[in-house]
Amino acid sequence: KQEVTQIPAALSVPEGENLVLNCSFTDSAIYNLQWFRQDPGKGLTSLLLIQSSQREQTSGRLNASLDKSSGRSTLYIAASQPGDSATYLCAVHTSGTYKYIFGTGTRLKVLA
Amino acid sequence: KAGVTQTPRYLIKTRGQQVTLSCSPISGHRSVSWYQQTPGQGLQFLFEYFSETQRNKGNFPGRFSGRQFSNSRSEMNVSTLELGDSALYLCASSPAARSSYEQYFGPGTRLTVT
Repeated sequence: KQEVTQIPAALSVPEGENLVLNCSFTDSAIYNLQWFRQDPGKGLTSLLLIQSSQREQTSGRLNASLDKSSGRSTLYIAASQPGDSATYLCAVHTSGTYKYIFGTGTRLKVLA
Repeated sequence: KAGVTQTPRYLIKTRGQQVTLSCSPISGHRSVSWYQQTPGQGLQFLFEYFSETQRNKGNFPGRFSGRQFSNSRSEMNVSTLELGDSALYLCASSPAARSSYEQYFGPGTRLTVT
């Protein structure tokens, strides 16, 4: 049974810092892994999708890496801004299923 | 291209009642998934539909059901509501091609059961 864990649960940093969010999963047989952002009371916004054959994906100040063998993914946010404040969720699509399993999220606060 | 839409956005119901939530996927997307989000349990998978067939179901009681129509629109129904059903219900659509199973989420329906 796939389990997804995100560390840390919460993070507070001053503006301008580079930061790393971690996601680990127990079953390495995955199709892909997706990172999302969620603002309070809102739906999820897709940030990056990494296919199982890929090692990383980049979009603007965001970079996500995937190490399937160790069951880990990291989301790197460069030069953080107050507008980055949100909850970040990773979700894993396990092979042979039609569903994503979500981590519990990292609540990020970037202080101006 | 319009995004995923969910109606209604907010709903208040009484224990014992039933409720139906609706989701319209992105045009061309044939897969629709439903999730329940609560502060205590996080995001939990309810079920997934593709071409009007339920392909996967999460660990929820039979009070939770869903369906998908030929135009890919989906509804989920919760019968005999309980206080614990209060949650944000999120719908996601996907092209469902195996190589790009990216999910796109709607804004959610906030259900409050009193």
